Amino acid sequence: DTGVSQNPRHKITKRGQNVTFRCDPISEHNRLYWYRQTLGQGPEFLTYFQNEAQLEKSRLLSDRFSAERPKGSFSTLEIQRTEQGDSAMYLCASSLVGQGALSYGYTFGSGTRLTVV
Amino acid sequence: GQSLEQPSEVTAVEGAIVQINCTYQTSGFYGLSWYQQHDGGAPTFLSYNALDGLEETGRFSSFLSRSDSYGYLLLQELQMKDSASYFCAVRHTGGGNKLTFGTGTQLKVEL
Repeated sequence: DTGVSQNPRHKITKRGQNVTFRCDPISEHNRLYWYRQTLGQGPEFLTYFQNEAQLEKSRLLSDRFSAERPKGSFSTLEIQRTEQGDSAMYLCASSLVGQGALSYGYTFGSGTRLTVV
Repeated sequence: GQSLEQPSEVTAVEGAIVQINCTYQTSGFYGLSWYQQHDGGAPTFLSYNALDGLEETGRFSSFLSRSDSYGYLLLQELQMKDSASYFCAVRHTGGGNKLTFGTGTQLKVEL
């Protein structure tokens, strides 16, 4: 397994356009998370899935944001009508529910850097 | 609400020991994690403490005091490659393994 994979690595888009990012988690991990990180800040929680069910969404996630995880495998995060404030690194992470401290650690992907111009 | 405080920057010399502190305020605390992030890279999981005390993993150790809402990451025998940002993160009660991250501490290791 090559870890968590995110595509694309970079995305430049014009304000008002829609963008979609993809995340492929570690195959045996049943939880998948989306976070957003801006320069000099820690990652901020957006949403998470257990298998295919989206169990929690942050209040940060406006109606313009939607995430899916069909069949409990890969996930997509779509941002509609992008705004300059959406410019950030979008990080995906996965984890495995289980016993022991190691099971509480996330494995992050390298992220998709979004620039809205 | 949730808040975590960490120093913004720490500088130390190669071979030294450095401690990065984290204090937190949260309504539902389950445990404290630490992540390392190099510039342009993904955050990497270092450690997790749910109980009071010290957890050691190689050159890195992490400590938690639940009564003081305080933890720290201890890095020993510093190497140049340890220059990175370090984030503490609170794991919340209520399931989901959701994390709230601090703003990070930039560690610079000098010769």
